[in-house]
Amino acid sequence: QKEVEQDPGPLSVPEGAIVSLNCTYSNSAFQYFMWYRQYSRKGPELLMYTYSSGNKEDGRFTAQVDKSSKYISLFIRDSQPSDSATYLCASQGAQKLVFGQGTRLTINP
Amino acid sequence: DTGVSQDPRHKITKRGQNVTFRCDPISEHNRLYWYRQTLGQGPEFLTYFQNEAQLEKSRLLSDRFSAERPKGSFSTLEIQRTEQGDSAMYLCASSLSAGGNTEAFFGQGTRLTVV
Repeated sequence: QKEVEQDPGPLSVPEGAIVSLNCTYSNSAFQYFMWYRQYSRKGPELLMYTYSSGNKEDGRFTAQVDKSSKYISLFIRDSQPSDSATYLCASQGAQKLVFGQGTRLTINP
Repeated sequence: DTGVSQDPRHKITKRGQNVTFRCDPISEHNRLYWYRQTLGQGPEFLTYFQNEAQLEKSRLLSDRFSAERPKGSFSTLEIQRTEQGDSAMYLCASSLSAGGNTEAFFGQGTRLTVV
């Protein structure tokens, strides 16, 4: 079993829709949780960073962490075609970041 | 501060040749990570440094791979006797670890093609 599991999609939604992206993790030592956005042939770009459980909002993006169920979510409101990319979740304890497989998202105009 | 810088951006090499990649982290960051990413997959951990000390190496990092971070600043990743299976994007990231972890920022990666 991978330490971080993420549905690879692909996921395709119309412009303006609310997008929900999810990951699960297995290591109880993970305390830091991140979402990255990656465009084709580019490095991952940090979107959201949270510590422990709870919600964090930044503009149209909301990250949720539920440590009791080991579940990580990213919500995108009012999705735009420019949001089309691969979204990577990552978890970290004291050491390395562990990534999910990434979900490929397409927002259709 | 220009972020994490990686050089070169692209490298094409013949099988059996040695290659070296460089990463310049964000200046105040004491942690530096190397990851490898293949098409359709998330980044896979290779190794990381805290200052100049290499603290962890993945089983993915065979004897042909070596990484250094002299003086705790820039880092190099060398692959000896390259194989076609080494073709991938090699990503570097840096963060600050001081009583807790901070965000890890990635560079644009070095895309390696072994022919």
